[in-house]
Amino acid sequence: AQSVTQPDIHITVSEGASLELRCNYSYGATPYLFWYVQSPGQGLQLLLKYFSGDTLVQGIKGFEAEFKRSQSSFNLRKPSVHWSDAAEYFCAVGARGSGNQFYFGTGTSLTVIP
Amino acid sequence: DAGVTQSPTHLIKTRGQHVTLRCSPISGHKSVSWYQQVLGQGPQFIFQYYEKEERGRGNFPDRFSARQFPNYSSELNVNALLLGDSALYLCASSSPSGALTNEKLFFGSGTQLSVL
Repeated sequence: AQSVTQPDIHITVSEGASLELRCNYSYGATPYLFWYVQSPGQGLQLLLKYFSGDTLVQGIKGFEAEFKRSQSSFNLRKPSVHWSDAAEYFCAVGARGSGNQFYFGTGTSLTVIP
Repeated sequence: DAGVTQSPTHLIKTRGQHVTLRCSPISGHKSVSWYQQVLGQGPQFIFQYYEKEERGRGNFPDRFSARQFPNYSSELNVNALLLGDSALYLCASSSPSGALTNEKLFFGSGTQLSVL
């Protein structure tokens, strides 16, 4: 069965510092992988996605993520965090051929301090 | 172009009542999915509808039902509400190129349901 683990419930970083949010997935084949961001009281906005090909994917707002099959990971990174990046971040896996049934992790809450 | 719109934005019900949540997808999108997000958790898949047919169902009781209309809008119905049904209910529509290719979901801002 598909599942996603985000081991960090909450992360605090200083503005301008680098960021890495961890995501591990469980899936029997090559999955579709996604990172979404959610601001308080809002829906989810897609940051980036991985389907195939280059394992380093670029997203919006300066985010990138790297797919590592050997580690079953899809960590999200940003070289320099801005105060506006404070939000909840969700990693999700989608099974190929299963339509829009995504499996989300429990999320990582990001706090940015001046 | 409008994004995915959901109504109402907030709703308060009491245990045992029935609720209907509504969703309008992005123009041209034929697939609508529903997710439940309990406070502090990630969204959980409830249903997917494509071309008015149910194409996927998550692990939710039969109290949860949905339907899709000819204009591709959708309703989520929950009967016999329980306290545990309190959550943010998110609707998502997908791009028109293929609802079953798991490409990209566009989410609405959700309906916050509180069951007292």
